[in-house]
Amino acid sequence: SQTIHQWPATLVQPVGSPLSLECTVEGTSNPNLYWYRQAAGRGLQLLFYSVGIGQISSEVPQNLSASRPQDRQFILSSKKLLLSDSGFYLCAWSHPLTGNTEAFFGQGTRLTVV
Amino acid sequence: AQKVTQAQTEISVVEKEDVTLDCVYETRDTTYYLFWYKQPPSGELVFLIRRNSFDEQNEISGRYSWNFQKSTSSFNFTITASQVVDSAVYFCALSEATGNQFYFGTGTSLTVIP
Repeated sequence: SQTIHQWPATLVQPVGSPLSLECTVEGTSNPNLYWYRQAAGRGLQLLFYSVGIGQISSEVPQNLSASRPQDRQFILSSKKLLLSDSGFYLCAWSHPLTGNTEAFFGQGTRLTVV
Repeated sequence: AQKVTQAQTEISVVEKEDVTLDCVYETRDTTYYLFWYKQPPSGELVFLIRRNSFDEQNEISGRYSWNFQKSTSSFNFTITASQVVDSAVYFCALSEATGNQFYFGTGTSLTVIP
């Protein structure tokens, strides 16, 4: 069965510090991968999605970047965090080519920038 | 453009009452997918159901039921005999034919009062 791992679960970082959040998927190959952010309140904002290694689509211009160095690894980064980067970050995968059109989410990383 | 609207921001019901969560969507695609997710206080989004645009059959799973009506572009979710464990934020989502992108509503926060 497929599983998705996301870490760390919580993170407190000072303004101006770098960020690296990692997400890995097991049990499938060539999945679509996604990074979402959920700010205070509830809306889910799509940040990046990837349909293959090295293929990254950015949905919102911001202080963040994403990379997919391996098929099942998706990394969210920032060189210098802003206070506005605080939020709940969720990684997800789907595999529409194999019929898994729904997205499955990791447990999330709660980031607080201080 | 795709859009999902969940007009109900917050709902409170007393335990054992039935409750319906509304979802209205917009899309120009003839093939698309609709989803419901539950987000308990822990934060992880839990997949509940997927519906294909060509399948308008309603579905029942235990106390949960879903009413998909293409004529009104709605995909409503009913919880029968609500329980305290149903307290969560519920998201409706849409993906287009390729399944590469998901569009989420803003969520409905459901509180079930014992």
